[in-house]
Order: sequence, then structure tokens, then C-alpha cells
Amino acid sequence: GAGVSQSPSNKVTEKGKDVELRCDPISGHTALYWYRQRLGQGLEFLIYFQGNSAPDKSGLPSDRFSAERTGESVSTLTIQRTQQEDSAVYLCASSLRRGGTDTQYFGPGTRLTVL
Amino acid sequence: GESVGLHLPTLSVQEGDNSIINCAYSNSASDYFIWYKQESGKGPQFIIDIRSNMDKRQGQRVTVLLNKTVKHLSLQIAATQPGDSAVYFCAENLGSARQLTFGSGTQLTVLP
Repeated sequence: GAGVSQSPSNKVTEKGKDVELRCDPISGHTALYWYRQRLGQGLEFLIYFQGNSAPDKSGLPSDRFSAERTGESVSTLTIQRTQQEDSAVYLCASSLRRGGTDTQYFGPGTRLTVL
Repeated sequence: GESVGLHLPTLSVQEGDNSIINCAYSNSASDYFIWYKQESGKGPQFIIDIRSNMDKRQGQRVTVLLNKTVKHLSLQIAATQPGDSAVYFCAENLGSARQLTFGSGTQLTVLP
């Protein structure tokens, strides 16, 4: 079946511009996560959506970052007034959220470069 | 603070040898652990997971060992192949938290 897809795969923008990144989770997965991965580093949690519950935004680094999700489908991550330190790969993951384990399946990521 | 860390940033092994990648965690409340493999330009790929009520779990050519006494996790890859070259991350689920906390990764290089 189809995995998690993300678009665009690459995005180059100028400092100060807004960008919008898209994630299409695996069909039927109720949970959706956004992570940021800087070059050569691990993944930093940004935000988590679960069904119709209020999202867990505890990982968002500033108020320039926001995300939306429509029901249990597509999600968009928006970064306003981009800064050079926002350059990173932004990864989306989804999971079934059943029982005590929560295997997350990742998309290929969007590589964001802020000039 | 709570963290998941890796002992070695890089690991080189000969093709056909076994590989062992280590990971330390500090939160005793963590109840679920996952190993991911990330190839260049791709998202992390699930390899194997283990719950805190287990100390060993085996998959195809991979074994994860969990030592809760010393808060240590390891990934063993048998008969390492060139396709195993990648960055390997361990991740933990911190109790009631839903997100995963990732270590910084180990770059595994398989030498011919």
C-alpha cells in the first residue's frame, strides 16, 4: 500500500518568506507527527495530531511555526517569516495509535533551504 | 534532562561480519523502544521495536537487546551487507508522551 508522502521534496526560499509543507499520512492512521532533522543530527519532535483531539504543540520552536490537520487526512506545516536556522529536513510520520505501542512510519521528508 | 544517546557516532564493519550498535537512555519511565534505519535522502525506516517488559526480540538478521538495569539498548545486525550502510537511530517513547525521542544516530559503513 501507499506510504506517507510529503511535498514538495525540496524547497528553497528566501529569508523572510512563508513556506507551507504538506504531508499525506497512510490511510487509516489516526496519529500524525511532524519532526525536524538538522544536518547530521537526530529528529526533533515538533507537533502531534491524534484524531479530533487538540494537537500537542509542545515541540514547536517558535510562534512562526504552525500546523493544521483536516480530520485524519492531510496535514500542512507552515513556517512564517523563515530564518536561515529553519533550514532542515522536515519529516512527517503517521501511526495507527492502537494499544501500548506506536510504530511510526515516516515519509521521505521535505528539504527546506532558507537563503 | 531526559535523553536518548548513542555511544558511537560512526561504526565501520567488514561485509559479512556482525554489527552491534549501542544506545543509552536515561528515562526509566520509557516503555517502548524502536530502531530506525535512515538511508541518505530518505526518511527513517522502521527496523524493529521492543517493549520494556521484554529483554530481547529478534527479527530477520536483526536482534534488539534491552537492559533496563543499565538503561541500555543495542541493535545487532547479523552478516552485515552493503545495503545495511545507513544511519541508525534508536528512539524511545517516554511513558505517556506520544512522540518519540530520538538519539543522534550512528553511521554504519560496511566495508567490502
